[in-house]
Formats: sequence, C-alpha cells, structure tokens
Amino acid sequence: DARVTQTPRHKVTEMGQEVTMRCQPILGHNTVFWYRQTMMQGLELLAYFRNRAPLDDSGMPKDRFSAEMPDATLATLKIQPSEPRDSAVYFCASGLLPMNTEAFFGQGTRLTVV
Amino acid sequence: AQSVTQPDIHITVSEGASLELRCNYSYGATPYLFWYVQSPGQGLQLLLKYFSGDTLVQGIKGFEAEFKRSQSSFNLRKPSVHWSDAAEYFCAVYNQGGKLIFGQGTELSVKP
Repeated sequence: DARVTQTPRHKVTEMGQEVTMRCQPILGHNTVFWYRQTMMQGLELLAYFRNRAPLDDSGMPKDRFSAEMPDATLATLKIQPSEPRDSAVYFCASGLLPMNTEAFFGQGTRLTVV
Repeated sequence: AQSVTQPDIHITVSEGASLELRCNYSYGATPYLFWYVQSPGQGLQLLLKYFSGDTLVQGIKGFEAEFKRSQSSFNLRKPSVHWSDAAEYFCAVYNQGGKLIFGQGTELSVKP
C-alpha cells in the first residue's frame, strides 16, 4: 500500500533550536509539496519540487526555513532557528505530474515550539 | 493569481439531510479540481477530482461534485449525510505549473 511517510509525527522543541522534518514520497512520484496548517492561515503551500528541483518556495520564510530533496526518496524541511510562531502541523504530499493524478498526503508532523 | 474560495467556514446539518459545500476558483485555463477531507489529527484524503470530461464527478463515500465553468464553481454534494461525515473539507486546484492551492476549508458538523 503506497503512502507518503513523514517523520517525526510529533516534535516539541525549544525556541532557537533547529528542527528537521522528513518526508518519503511515494515511489515514482515526481512532485513533492510542503504545506503548513494552522487554525488562522489554513493550508499554506511553503514549497514544491519537481524531479527534485525546487519550483516555487515563495511561501516559505527564507531567513529560517529551507527545503531540499537530497534524493528521490527523501524531502526535508528545516527550520533554524525555530520560533513559537512556527508551531503548526506540517504536511508533505507527493504526486505524479503532468499525469492526471492527485496529490497524496502524509499524516503530518505536529511541531510545537516552546 | 490562482485562488480557491470556500465561502462557508462552518456548516451544521442534521444526519440524513442533504449537503452542499461551495467552492469557487479563480483560474484562466481549464482547472484540475479536487475535494479532500480531513478528519481530526489526520492527513488529507481525496474524495474526488475533476480533470476533464463529464462535469459531474462521483467520489468515495457517496460524494459527488459538479464543475460549472460559467460560475467558476466546483460544489460538493451528498444526498444524505452520516454522522461519520463530520470533518473538514478542502477544495483545491492545480494550476498549469503544478502548484496545488487549497481553499480555507469548511468544517462540517452533523447533528443527530
């Protein structure tokens, strides 16, 4: 059963610490999305990749956030330094474009910065 | 810029009643449209999608949606709501660059 896997599922960290969230997309998918979900802002697209190349990261605070795909089986989202306002659920999704498929979502990483 | 609007933040319906959740999009070309559902603490699950062809699409769990180009709408419907349908529902659109944009979501509550 193919699925998107995100680790960790929960993370509590202190302000100023580095946070790394990982995503394993579905094998064969060429597009990876990172979203942040909060009550106030809903689902915000932070960045997305096609064939491991970043296409758009305009939704991401550049000074502290970075997203990479070291290889086709791993996408990472890093926050350094973390701040309390970064507390949210971060979702990764993968899809196969331009084929007619939807994006499949992981279970999310719930981040709490104290 | 492409956008998706879900006018209703929260809707309450009685179990067994019909449901319609509204979605309007702003996109110049023929859009790829989706409805996802999110249960508390879970990720998003696809309910249905529209890429082309028949404008009335059927999805899982008895849901359907109708694409109306003239109204830039893609409303989600279900003839009879079950208590287990209580969740948050998101409408989304792919633009040509492959950017997947979501609406703000509609939270559905179901009264017994």
